[in-house]
Amino acid sequence: QSVLTQPPSVSAAPGQKVTISCSGSSSNIGNNHVSWYRQLPGTAPKLLIYDNDKRPSGIPDRFSGSKSGTSATLGITGLQTGDEADYYCGTWDSSLLAGVFGGGTKLTVL
Amino acid sequence: EVQLLESGGGLVQPGGSLRLSCAASGFTFSTCAMSWVRQAPGKGLEWVSALSGSSATTYYADSVKGRFTISRDNSKNTLYLQMDSLGAEDTAVYYCAKYRGPRWGELWHDYWGQGTLVTVSS
Repeated sequence: QSVLTQPPSVSAAPGQKVTISCSGSSSNIGNNHVSWYRQLPGTAPKLLIYDNDKRPSGIPDRFSGSKSGTSATLGITGLQTGDEADYYCGTWDSSLLAGVFGGGTKLTVL
Repeated sequence: EVQLLESGGGLVQPGGSLRLSCAASGFTFSTCAMSWVRQAPGKGLEWVSALSGSSATTYYADSVKGRFTISRDNSKNTLYLQMDSLGAEDTAVYYCAKYRGPRWGELWHDYWGQGTLVTVSS
Protein backbone atom coordinates (compact mmCIF):
# COMPACT_ATOMS: atom_id res chain seq x y z
CA GLN A 1 0.00 0.00 0.00
CA SER A 2 1.60 3.24 -1.17
CA VAL A 3 1.57 6.37 0.97
CA LEU A 4 0.48 8.38 -2.07
CA THR A 5 -2.64 7.26 -3.95
CA GLN A 6 -2.83 7.26 -7.74
CA PRO A 7 -5.41 5.67 -10.04
CA PRO A 8 -4.04 2.39 -11.40
CA SER A 9 -4.86 3.30 -14.97
CA VAL A 10 -6.17 6.07 -17.20
CA SER A 11 -6.85 6.15 -20.92
CA ALA A 12 -7.69 8.63 -23.63
CA ALA A 13 -7.58 8.97 -27.39
CA PRO A 14 -4.67 10.49 -29.33
CA GLY A 15 -4.80 14.28 -29.28
CA GLN A 16 -6.94 14.37 -26.16
CA LYS A 17 -6.07 15.48 -22.64
CA VAL A 18 -5.69 13.34 -19.54
CA THR A 19 -5.10 14.08 -15.88
CA ILE A 20 -3.52 11.83 -13.26
CA SER A 21 -4.22 12.50 -9.61
CA CYS A 22 -1.97 11.91 -6.61
CA SER A 23 -3.49 12.07 -3.17
CA GLY A 24 -1.57 12.27 0.09
CA SER A 25 -1.68 13.96 3.47
CA SER A 26 -0.39 16.97 5.35
CA SER A 27 2.85 15.18 6.22
CA ASN A 28 3.78 14.68 2.58
CA ILE A 29 2.07 16.53 -0.28
CA GLY A 30 0.49 19.08 2.03
CA ASN A 31 3.82 20.48 3.18
CA ASN A 32 6.39 19.36 0.63
CA HIS A 33 7.04 19.67 -3.08
CA VAL A 34 5.77 17.11 -5.55
CA SER A 35 7.60 15.70 -8.56
CA TRP A 36 6.35 13.49 -11.39
CA TYR A 37 8.17 10.79 -13.34
CA ARG A 38 7.48 8.80 -16.48
CA GLN A 39 8.71 5.25 -16.93
CA LEU A 40 8.65 3.60 -20.31
CA PRO A 41 8.71 -0.22 -20.29
CA GLY A 42 12.12 -1.61 -19.40
CA THR A 43 13.69 1.77 -18.75
CA ALA A 44 14.54 3.96 -15.78
CA PRO A 45 12.13 6.66 -14.61
CA LYS A 46 12.53 10.13 -16.09
CA LEU A 47 11.71 13.45 -14.44
CA LEU A 48 8.71 15.27 -15.91
CA ILE A 49 7.72 17.85 -13.27
CA TYR A 50 9.45 19.18 -10.15
CA ASP A 51 8.52 21.75 -7.49
CA ASN A 52 4.83 20.89 -8.09
CA ASP A 53 4.55 22.64 -11.42
CA LYS A 54 7.96 23.21 -13.05
CA ARG A 55 9.19 21.47 -16.19
CA PRO A 56 12.86 20.55 -16.68
CA SER A 57 14.45 21.70 -19.91
CA GLY A 58 13.50 19.40 -22.74
CA ILE A 59 10.07 18.49 -21.35
CA PRO A 60 7.37 19.89 -23.67
CA ASP A 61 4.66 22.19 -22.36
CA ARG A 62 2.12 19.43 -23.08
CA PHE A 63 3.02 18.29 -19.58
CA SER A 64 1.85 20.33 -16.59
CA GLY A 65 1.65 19.91 -12.84
CA SER A 66 -0.40 21.44 -10.09
CA LYS A 67 -0.92 21.05 -6.36
CA SER A 68 -3.77 21.95 -4.08
CA GLY A 69 -3.78 21.06 -0.40
CA THR A 70 -2.88 17.39 -0.05
CA SER A 71 -3.36 16.46 -3.71
CA ALA A 72 -1.39 16.94 -6.88
CA THR A 73 -2.27 16.50 -10.53
CA LEU A 74 -0.31 15.78 -13.67
CA GLY A 75 -1.87 16.93 -16.92
CA ILE A 76 -0.92 15.79 -20.40
CA THR A 77 -2.41 17.41 -23.49
CA GLY A 78 -2.14 16.45 -27.14
CA LEU A 79 -1.73 12.78 -26.25
CA GLN A 80 0.56 10.72 -28.44
CA THR A 81 1.00 6.96 -28.62
CA GLY A 82 4.53 7.53 -27.34
CA ASP A 83 3.07 8.83 -24.08
CA GLU A 84 1.98 5.30 -23.14
CA ALA A 85 3.94 4.63 -19.97
CA ASP A 86 3.70 4.39 -16.20
CA TYR A 87 3.54 7.70 -14.34
CA TYR A 88 4.57 8.20 -10.71
CA CYS A 89 4.24 11.06 -8.27
CA GLY A 90 6.79 11.47 -5.51
CA THR A 91 7.53 13.68 -2.54
CA TRP A 92 9.06 13.72 0.94
CA ASP A 93 7.16 12.66 4.03
CA SER A 94 8.07 14.79 7.03
CA SER A 95 6.59 12.32 9.53
CA LEU A 96 8.14 9.17 8.09
CA LEU A 97 11.38 11.03 7.32
CA ALA A 98 11.45 9.19 4.03
CA GLY A 99 10.77 9.66 0.37
CA VAL A 100 7.45 8.36 -0.89
CA PHE A 101 6.01 7.50 -4.29
CA GLY A 102 2.54 6.86 -5.56
CA GLY A 103 1.64 3.37 -6.75
CA GLY A 104 1.90 4.45 -10.36
CA THR A 105 -0.64 5.04 -13.12
CA LYS A 106 -0.56 3.24 -16.43
CA LEU A 107 -1.52 5.54 -19.28
CA THR A 108 -3.05 3.96 -22.36
CA VAL A 109 -3.51 6.02 -25.50
CA LEU A 110 -6.34 4.30 -27.33
CA GLU B 1 26.61 14.82 -19.09
CA VAL B 2 25.36 13.29 -15.85
CA GLN B 3 25.87 9.54 -15.63
CA LEU B 4 24.95 7.13 -12.87
CA LEU B 5 26.14 3.56 -13.30
CA GLU B 6 25.00 0.91 -10.84
CA SER B 7 26.77 -2.39 -10.29
CA GLY B 8 26.86 -5.23 -7.81
CA GLY B 9 23.49 -6.81 -8.40
CA GLY B 10 23.02 -10.53 -8.80
CA LEU B 11 21.61 -13.69 -7.28
CA VAL B 12 21.93 -14.10 -3.52
CA GLN B 13 20.48 -16.64 -1.12
CA PRO B 14 17.96 -15.64 1.55
CA GLY B 15 19.76 -14.29 4.58
CA GLY B 16 22.73 -13.26 2.49
CA SER B 17 24.37 -9.92 1.82
CA LEU B 18 25.17 -7.81 -1.21
CA ARG B 19 26.76 -4.41 -1.77
CA LEU B 20 25.58 -2.21 -4.59
CA SER B 21 27.69 0.58 -6.04
CA CYS B 22 26.76 3.60 -8.12
CA ALA B 23 29.53 5.41 -9.98
CA ALA B 24 28.62 9.03 -10.65
CA SER B 25 30.04 11.49 -13.15
CA GLY B 26 29.19 14.75 -14.86
CA PHE B 27 28.32 16.77 -11.75
CA THR B 28 29.79 17.81 -8.38
CA PHE B 29 28.99 14.60 -6.53
CA SER B 30 29.94 15.80 -3.04
CA THR B 31 27.33 18.57 -3.04
CA CYS B 32 24.36 16.39 -4.01
CA ALA B 33 22.07 14.25 -1.90
CA MET B 34 21.65 10.78 -3.40
CA SER B 35 19.16 7.98 -3.01
CA TRP B 36 18.35 4.38 -3.84
CA VAL B 37 14.94 3.50 -5.24
CA ARG B 38 13.85 -0.05 -6.03
CA GLN B 39 11.20 -1.67 -8.17
CA ALA B 40 10.06 -5.24 -7.63
CA PRO B 41 9.11 -7.17 -10.77
CA GLY B 42 5.84 -5.82 -12.15
CA LYS B 43 5.45 -3.38 -9.25
CA GLY B 44 5.82 0.33 -8.66
CA LEU B 45 8.69 2.44 -7.39
CA GLU B 46 9.70 2.12 -3.75
CA TRP B 47 12.00 4.66 -2.14
CA VAL B 48 14.68 2.82 -0.14
CA SER B 49 17.23 5.22 1.33
CA ALA B 50 18.93 8.58 0.94
CA LEU B 51 21.85 10.53 2.31
CA SER B 52 23.12 14.08 2.17
CA GLY B 53 26.18 15.19 0.24
CA SER B 54 28.33 15.23 3.36
CA SER B 55 26.88 11.92 4.66
CA ALA B 56 25.79 13.78 7.79
CA THR B 57 22.16 12.78 7.28
CA THR B 58 20.81 9.38 6.29
CA TYR B 59 17.25 8.14 5.92
CA TYR B 60 15.74 4.70 5.39
CA ALA B 61 12.39 3.19 4.51
CA ASP B 62 10.92 1.18 7.37
CA SER B 63 11.09 -1.93 5.18
CA VAL B 64 14.91 -1.87 5.13
CA LYS B 65 15.79 -0.07 8.36
CA GLY B 66 18.35 -2.04 10.36
CA ARG B 67 19.24 -4.24 7.38
CA PHE B 68 20.49 -1.81 4.73
CA THR B 69 23.21 0.83 5.06
CA ILE B 70 23.69 3.68 2.63
CA SER B 71 27.07 5.37 2.31
CA ARG B 72 29.20 7.32 -0.11
CA ASP B 73 32.84 7.98 -0.93
CA ASN B 74 33.06 11.50 -2.30
CA SER B 75 36.70 10.98 -3.24
CA LYS B 76 35.59 8.23 -5.59
CA ASN B 77 32.27 9.79 -6.67
CA THR B 78 30.55 6.58 -5.63
CA LEU B 79 27.37 5.76 -3.72
CA TYR B 80 26.90 2.43 -1.96
CA LEU B 81 24.10 0.33 -0.54
CA GLN B 82 25.10 -2.48 1.82
CA MET B 83 22.23 -4.95 2.01
CA ASP B 84 22.19 -7.58 4.77
CA SER B 85 19.67 -10.20 5.88
CA LEU B 86 18.14 -10.23 2.43
CA GLY B 87 14.76 -11.81 1.87
CA ALA B 88 12.64 -12.62 -1.17
CA GLU B 89 10.81 -9.32 -0.67
CA ASP B 90 14.03 -7.49 -1.52
CA THR B 91 14.09 -8.88 -5.06
CA ALA B 92 13.96 -5.84 -7.32
CA VAL B 93 15.76 -3.58 -9.74
CA TYR B 94 17.68 -1.07 -7.64
CA TYR B 95 18.09 2.43 -9.08
CA CYS B 96 20.61 5.00 -7.97
CA ALA B 97 19.13 8.49 -8.27
CA LYS B 98 20.52 11.98 -7.88
CA TYR B 99 18.62 14.50 -5.84
CA ARG B 100 18.37 18.19 -6.63
CA GLY B 101 16.88 20.96 -4.51
CA PRO B 102 17.52 23.17 -1.48
CA ARG B 103 16.21 20.97 1.35
CA TRP B 104 14.69 17.56 2.01
CA GLY B 105 11.07 18.62 1.55
CA GLU B 106 11.89 20.34 -1.72
CA LEU B 107 14.03 17.73 -3.44
CA TRP B 108 13.41 15.87 -6.64
CA HIS B 109 15.23 13.10 -8.55
CA ASP B 110 16.65 14.76 -11.63
CA TYR B 111 18.75 11.85 -12.87
CA TRP B 112 18.45 8.07 -12.54
CA GLY B 113 20.81 5.21 -13.30
CA GLN B 114 19.79 2.29 -15.47
CA GLY B 115 19.32 0.00 -12.48
CA THR B 116 20.84 -3.25 -11.26
CA LEU B 117 18.80 -6.39 -10.60
CA VAL B 118 18.97 -8.10 -7.22
CA THR B 119 17.40 -11.53 -6.98
CA VAL B 120 17.04 -13.21 -3.61
CA SER B 121 16.38 -16.89 -4.05
CA SER B 122 17.64 -20.29 -2.96
